[in-house]
Amino acid sequence: GENVEQHPSTLSVQEGDSAVIKCTYSDSASNYFPWYKQELGKRPQLIIDIRSNVGEKKDQRIAVTLNKTAKHFSLHITETQPEDSAVYFCAASWTNFGNEKLTFGTGTRLTIIP
Amino acid sequence: DSGVTQTPKHLITATGQRVTLRCSPRSGDLSVYWYQQSLDQGLQFLIQYYNGEERAKGNILERFSAQQFPDLHSELNLSSLELGDSALYFCASSVLTEGTEAFFGQGTRLTVV
Repeated sequence: GENVEQHPSTLSVQEGDSAVIKCTYSDSASNYFPWYKQELGKRPQLIIDIRSNVGEKKDQRIAVTLNKTAKHFSLHITETQPEDSAVYFCAASWTNFGNEKLTFGTGTRLTIIP
Repeated sequence: DSGVTQTPKHLITATGQRVTLRCSPRSGDLSVYWYQQSLDQGLQFLIQYYNGEERAKGNILERFSAQQFPDLHSELNLSSLELGDSALYFCASSVLTEGTEAFFGQGTRLTVV
């Protein structure tokens, strides 16, 4: 089955600096890669996603890149702000007519230092 | 509000007991996932249902079982509870077409004492 590895497990950056979180996946059939943000005590919420036919996607200060050959994808947050402090989860998914597996990485606790 | 409803929000029970967690997916979503999140841990996939049928199984203990009913709501049953079962249990739903977002409920926090 799919295995998603996420690094680092914790990350501290100065406010205004950039943060990068990296994930690798094992199943070449995976075709959808969402990123979720989970604030303390709250539900995970989607912040950005990318499909296998796209190499990069950007939404304001957040961007995701995908390298299908190497089977890795990354989350980039620029100009970090205190509200970016949270746990971030990457995930890999494939869908085939009702059969879908959504596998999450182990999470990265991001702390923005004011 | 994600549109996914989980009840109860909090549950405190004793070891050896049995509990049922309930999830109502977003309107139109046929797929339901259950995840377990222990303190400061990641999201451990338990089981997935699609339109009433079990589709995928993760590291779900034999003491745990789930089902999805004709109205698409799902229940996760946890029996012979142990202290280590204390966790936040999330339900998520999606429409299950290629590359679609899974929406999470607010979770049920289970405390076994």
